[in-house]
Amino acid sequence: DTAVSQTPKYLVTQMGNDKSIKCEQNLGHDTMYWYKQDSKKFLKIMFSYNNKELIINETVPNRFSPKSPDKAHLNLHINSLELGDSAVYFCASSQSYARGEQYFGPGTRLTVT
Amino acid sequence: AQSVSQHNHHVILSEAASLELGCNYSYGGTVNLFWYVQYPGQHLQLLLKYFSGDPLVKGIKGFEAEFIKSKFSFNLRKPSVQWSDTAEYFCAVNIPNSGYALNFGKGTSLLVTP
Repeated sequence: DTAVSQTPKYLVTQMGNDKSIKCEQNLGHDTMYWYKQDSKKFLKIMFSYNNKELIINETVPNRFSPKSPDKAHLNLHINSLELGDSAVYFCASSQSYARGEQYFGPGTRLTVT
Repeated sequence: AQSVSQHNHHVILSEAASLELGCNYSYGGTVNLFWYVQYPGQHLQLLLKYFSGDPLVKGIKGFEAEFIKSKFSFNLRKPSVQWSDTAEYFCAVNIPNSGYALNFGKGTSLLVTP
């Protein structure tokens, strides 16, 4: 009965490939996020969607494209993967745009070889 | 730019020792403050949060934090740590003009030895 789930948990792929990570929340929240955790464990916001609308788009290469088919899902598609994309990607959700308490998914460890 | 600073990057304590992890943020307006914990190989879990009201907040697992507005600080404390507290601890701030995304500190790695 996971609140925020992500698939896959691990993703190993070669440079140049295109891959997607899926995120789903069953909390009824309006807002969803993608964060990137680098090798030094630093977490940084990438995107945020509120009711399927993009509200935050940080300085992220345009090879990264989020898609929100409905407010319970926020997927992350990455084109032309590079070595520097290797990281753990966390999805999160919050009740609403202005309620800061966020619930995190288990993370997807992406390794680009 | 707003930032969150965690002063201790690595902390090693013996069981039953007291813990205090420092967190400062740079933003002059109203903020929401959080501490998250990440146990080895797991996702982030909320330890405690401060939105308004009593500046001393209590969280799960015996943790507490004190918001001191004049010092822009939100330090995490626990009177007696256990081996199971070994984890990465992240202070985070969410600020209205950053779209309410969480701005994280760089984390403090806590190792509790038996």
